[in-house]
Amino acid sequence: EAGVTQSPTHLIKTRGQQATLRCSPISGHTSVYWYQQALGLGLQFLLWYDEGEERNRGNFPPRFSGRQFPNYSSELNVNALELEDSALYLCASSFLRNTGELFFGEGSRLTVL
Amino acid sequence: DQQVKQNSPSLSVQEGRISILNCDYTNSMFDYFLWYKKYPAEGPTFLISISSIKDKNEDGRFTVFLNKSAKHLSLHIVPSQPGDSAVYFCAARVFGNEKLTFGTGTRLTIIP
Repeated sequence: EAGVTQSPTHLIKTRGQQATLRCSPISGHTSVYWYQQALGLGLQFLLWYDEGEERNRGNFPPRFSGRQFPNYSSELNVNALELEDSALYLCASSFLRNTGELFFGEGSRLTVL
Repeated sequence: DQQVKQNSPSLSVQEGRISILNCDYTNSMFDYFLWYKKYPAEGPTFLISISSIKDKNEDGRFTVFLNKSAKHLSLHIVPSQPGDSAVYFCAARVFGNEKLTFGTGTRLTIIP
């Protein structure tokens, strides 16, 4: 069974540009979560989507946005990139109302120059 | 506001000995706790969990202990093996909220 897949693996952008990251959940999983892991920090919750709707949002500015498609895949968009947006962005999926276990992808490393 | 804290950024343990990783939390509404393990260039993988109605959960070499009064949990790995070298994240969840709140991680190094 395929796990959570993320693309691209690496992305280099300059300040002010936009970045789009993609995630395909495990087949049968309806929930997708996005986390940011900046250098030296833990995983910071960004967004949670389920059944195409945004269910919860972390303490991030509005220039972080996303969506979930009918096939449950998801996109994370970061507008007006800032240097501090450089981080590993992790996507995870789960089957809603499970025990809380999330299945993570390998992440997309975004570097903002 | 860091609601889940792992105060030890790193830990080195001799192979075969016990590894003890600690985690403290501040939110008394957390009812479910998980440990994740992360290797370089990979996403975190689920290791073991514990519900707030229990004080211990065991799975093979891994045991998680929960002390609700102290708002503290720990992960014991015994015996420690070289493949256990990784970053370990503690995470917690409030019932009804699927969001997990993670700690900053502890890098465990097992010395052969």
